Parts: sequence; C-alpha cells; structure tokens
Amino acid sequence: DSGVTQTPKHLITATGQRVTLRCSPRSGDLSVYWYQQSLDQGLQFLIQYYNGEERAKGNILERFSAQQFPDLHSELNLSSLELGDSALYFCASSVEPSDEQFFGPGTRLTVL
Amino acid sequence: DAKTTQPPSMECAEGRAANLPCNHSTISGNEYVYWYRQIHSQGPQYIIHGLKNNETNEMASLIITEDRKSSTLILPHATLRDTAVYYCIVRKTFNKFYFGSGTKLNVKP
Repeated sequence: DSGVTQTPKHLITATGQRVTLRCSPRSGDLSVYWYQQSLDQGLQFLIQYYNGEERAKGNILERFSAQQFPDLHSELNLSSLELGDSALYFCASSVEPSDEQFFGPGTRLTVL
Repeated sequence: DAKTTQPPSMECAEGRAANLPCNHSTISGNEYVYWYRQIHSQGPQYIIHGLKNNETNEMASLIITEDRKSSTLILPHATLRDTAVYYCIVRKTFNKFYFGSGTKLNVKP
C-alpha cells in the first residue's frame, strides 16, 4: 500500500459524458501527478501539480483538465469522452517534484 | 530526458538473481536513473534510483557503469511475486517521468 488513494476504482460511462477522478496523496506529499495507461501501452504522463499550482504538462488533451485543492487532493476531469479514453488512470505523489513518486491503485475507466 | 533501451522480456528461475539491463547512452551528468515495476495492472512501484554510485536497498541493487551509459537492476533472489514489467527511467531533477515499454520479467518455479 503506497498511501495514495484513488476513487472510484472502476467507472463505466458512455461516449460524450463527463467524469471526475479523485486522488488523495500520501500524507505530507505536495506534488501530485496524473498518468494514463491504455491497454497494453506504457504510462503516459498527463499533468503535475505542486502545492496547488500546475507545474508540468504532458500529453494531456484539451478535453481533460485537473486541479489540486488546498487540502492537496487532486481531481482529473475528463469531458466529451470518446471510446479511446478507456484506460487506467493513475495518480502519483511525492514530497517534492525531485523525489521518487508513489503511485495509487488506479481508476479503470471504460467508455462504451 | 535521455532515452532508455531495455529488452522486451526476460526469464529467471525462482531463487536465482535476476539481472535486468538498461542502456541509456545519451544520459547527461545531472540525470538520475530510476527503476519502477508494475505488477499486472497495479500502480507502478518505486524500486530504487541512483546518480553515479551503486545503490542497494531492501528490494534490489542498482549497478551503474562508470561512464553511466548503462545500468543493471539486480533482484538478488527472485520470487514468483517479482514477475512484473520493470521500467528503467532516466530523469533530470524536477522533470517528469517518461515510462517506456519496459522489460517483462517472468520468474519461473
């Protein structure tokens, strides 16, 4: 158990819908990261937040957005969902951006 | 960030050492080598990282060559639970992690 929690564990929705994935970092960690892993593919970095501010962006679509709240939890919002958005979404956290990242168990999103 | 090259798959007998190689010939002086593993579809698990010295922790050892162009992750006594995809990542401080395809390690009884 890494100490990072993600909800929900599974999410099934339809194309065109909007969903919100939630992440609670380890106690004391200020940085939160989001990754997407499609079937049989590697992890793709989406976005990073540090203490409430966006720090780095990766391959994140314009339909996706994220934020980190004052209590340091983070939410990833996915809108106008397409079949290709079906994937595992992982959240990770670290104390500082330079430190090793600890990953949550992931949210499996299925878009039908 | 420098790119890494890993064999797509490896096998190892249970109880034996598993030596996973990684090539990072374009690594620069301030880039660290990190190793993570992913068991099935679980969240990746941090294993170890280093800059230029060899490192050891309770999970594994990391051997980095003197020219830093390659490294080897060593699991000293592999068990069936070590079957996973192992990712070698080269990363500058504060930069994001790029996960490649990794090495699928199969530990056989």
